[in-house]
Amino acid sequence: GAGVSQSPRYKVAKRGQDVALRCDPISGHVSLFWYQQALGQGPEFLTYFQNEAQLDKSGLPSDRFFAERPEGSVSTLKIQRTQQEDSAVYLCASSSDRSDTQYFGPGTRLTVL
Amino acid sequence: AQSVSQHNHHVILSEAASLELGCNYSYGGTVNLFWYVQYPGQHLQLLLKYFSGDPLVKGIKGFEAEFIKSKFSFNLRKPSVQWSDTAEYFCAVNRGGGADGLTFGKGTHLIIQP
Repeated sequence: GAGVSQSPRYKVAKRGQDVALRCDPISGHVSLFWYQQALGQGPEFLTYFQNEAQLDKSGLPSDRFFAERPEGSVSTLKIQRTQQEDSAVYLCASSSDRSDTQYFGPGTRLTVL
Repeated sequence: AQSVSQHNHHVILSEAASLELGCNYSYGGTVNLFWYVQYPGQHLQLLLKYFSGDPLVKGIKGFEAEFIKSKFSFNLRKPSVQWSDTAEYFCAVNRGGGADGLTFGKGTHLIIQP
């Protein structure tokens, strides 16, 4: 079956622009996670949804970061007024329930100039 | 809060050599433990996982890991590596019951020389 998909795969933004990154989880997966992976580092947790409810957003680095999952399926991570330090790969993962294995998408590589 | 430490950031081995990658975590409660692998140009894939039961876990491609609770360790092993094992390996942990995201180590870049 289809895995987790993310779009766009690459995004270049000028500093100060807003960006929106999309995640399509595996069909039927209720849990969805966003991670940020800086160059040479492991992924770092940003936020977690169970269906449409955002249960944990403790990893979001600033109030410029916002995530939503309005219908409990597709999710969007929005970054407002991008800064150079936002340059990273943004990973999305989904799981069938909150305690199960997380399956990762290919990521979106964001470069802020 | 949890943390994960991977001791080796870069490892270079010859084909057929044995592999052991170290992973230690800090968290006092029940944990789930994972090893993920990222092959060049590909996305993160699950190699193996431990939730409970037998502390020796077998995964795909001949990999295994042993959970030693007293040492807070979950080291990854393979008796004989292949060139195709060249990849980035990440150890990760979350709370047992898993209501939160994964905490990852910084990764180990493994290069297998033919």
